[in-house]
Amino acid sequence: EPEVTQTPSHQVTQMGQEVILRCVPISNHLYFYWYRQILGQKVEFLVSFYNNEISEKSEIFDDQFSVERPDGSNFTLKIRSTKLEDSAMYFCASRLVGGGNTEAFFGQGTRLTVV
Amino acid sequence: AQSVSQHNHHVILSEAASLELGCNYSYGGTVNLFWYVQYPGQHLQLLLKYFSGDPLVKGIKGFEAEFIKSKFSFNLRKPSVQWSDTAEYFCAVTPTQAAGNKLTFGGGTRVLVKP
Repeated sequence: EPEVTQTPSHQVTQMGQEVILRCVPISNHLYFYWYRQILGQKVEFLVSFYNNEISEKSEIFDDQFSVERPDGSNFTLKIRSTKLEDSAMYFCASRLVGGGNTEAFFGQGTRLTVV
Repeated sequence: AQSVSQHNHHVILSEAASLELGCNYSYGGTVNLFWYVQYPGQHLQLLLKYFSGDPLVKGIKGFEAEFIKSKFSFNLRKPSVQWSDTAEYFCAVTPTQAAGNKLTFGGGTRVLVKP
């Protein structure tokens, strides 16, 4: 069964450093997403991406964040200068088509710890 | 903007007990509704979904949910839980008509099933 894969599973970084979280969405999916879950809190939407551009982003997704689909298979989330409050589990998801009538498939997540 | 609330943050019950988790959403238009489960250390997995039609939907592992439009609710049920149902359960909605939809999650309910 196709699945969304994320690497690394864990990342520890120092405050102020740049991190790149990687995702390989399901191959024929067209919509890609990043969500995050701070420990003990709800899963929050960060950004959606379609046709090589951001289609929607949340207030959390400020100038420190960027997304890219560099090679047609990977989908990356970059945090330029990490802060302590960026520590969270980051989930990538993909969906076959837009609209609501398809489900999103989630990766296993990357646990980011900023120290 | 849509929002989702889950009434119980923590539920503890014994094996073979029945489970019902509440979920209410707020949104002015039509929505698609989902329940995701997150087992300890694992990624979000889809339990069941409602797009249209029969408001009583059946999912995997014996779970079912009922969409009551007049109450803006989508409660999850299982008649007899097992120890392996210990997990966190998330209700989520997405507007039907908006393309590239983000999911809006509830705060989650941690379920602990005692053997």
